Amino acid sequence: EVQLEESGGGLVQPGGSLRLSCAASGFTISSNYMSWVRQAPGKGLEWVSVIYSDGTTHYAESVKGRFTISRDKSKNLLHLQMNSLKTEDTAVYYCARDEARGELDYWGQGVQVTVSS
Amino acid sequence: SYVLTQPPSVSVAPGKTARITCEGNNIGGKSVHWYQQKPGQAPVMVIYYDSDRPSGIPERFAGSNSGDTATLTISRVEAGDEADYYCQVWDSSTDQRVFGAGTKVTVL
Repeated sequence: EVQLEESGGGLVQPGGSLRLSCAASGFTISSNYMSWVRQAPGKGLEWVSVIYSDGTTHYAESVKGRFTISRDKSKNLLHLQMNSLKTEDTAVYYCARDEARGELDYWGQGVQVTVSS
Repeated sequence: SYVLTQPPSVSVAPGKTARITCEGNNIGGKSVHWYQQKPGQAPVMVIYYDSDRPSGIPERFAGSNSGDTATLTISRVEAGDEADYYCQVWDSSTDQRVFGAGTKVTVL
């Protein structure tokens, strides 16, 4: 059974950093595309980043240069390193398995990130 | 960047049909995916590749895509279908995934 579980969220001050992790079971992260999607309070879904099986990465313009997506093959983990955080980065962050044409077929339960002084 | 436009809300009586549109420039040339999100829960994919249903999704959910409009159709609507629905595509020109703003479906 495919499962995803995010961790690492919390409260951080503006300008600070946080690293999110996503643990997968039932499949191998490095053999798949993986995305991060976020949802600000009361708002819609916003795609954040993707990492392809070959290691290629892409980012939304709103996070480019501040966020870095990566993976740990030995632990079957996906990460999102978030630097220079802004109040507008406050959201629930989801990791999701991303398939050939961008469809997100499995999602984690989400982790809360709050950026506030 | 590619933009997807959805109506903010759709209301439907139980047993009737709900249609949710997703407009984008020549969206018919892209693969459209749809997600259902209930309050406090993670999104769930209900349609992929315009009209395919994942395992476990009722046949009442159907999708179509042509020209500048993709449509999610929910037949014989039930109270449990009340949720936010999002359309999404892969923009191959930027390799970014794009979501519509979402449509809140209310069952009267």
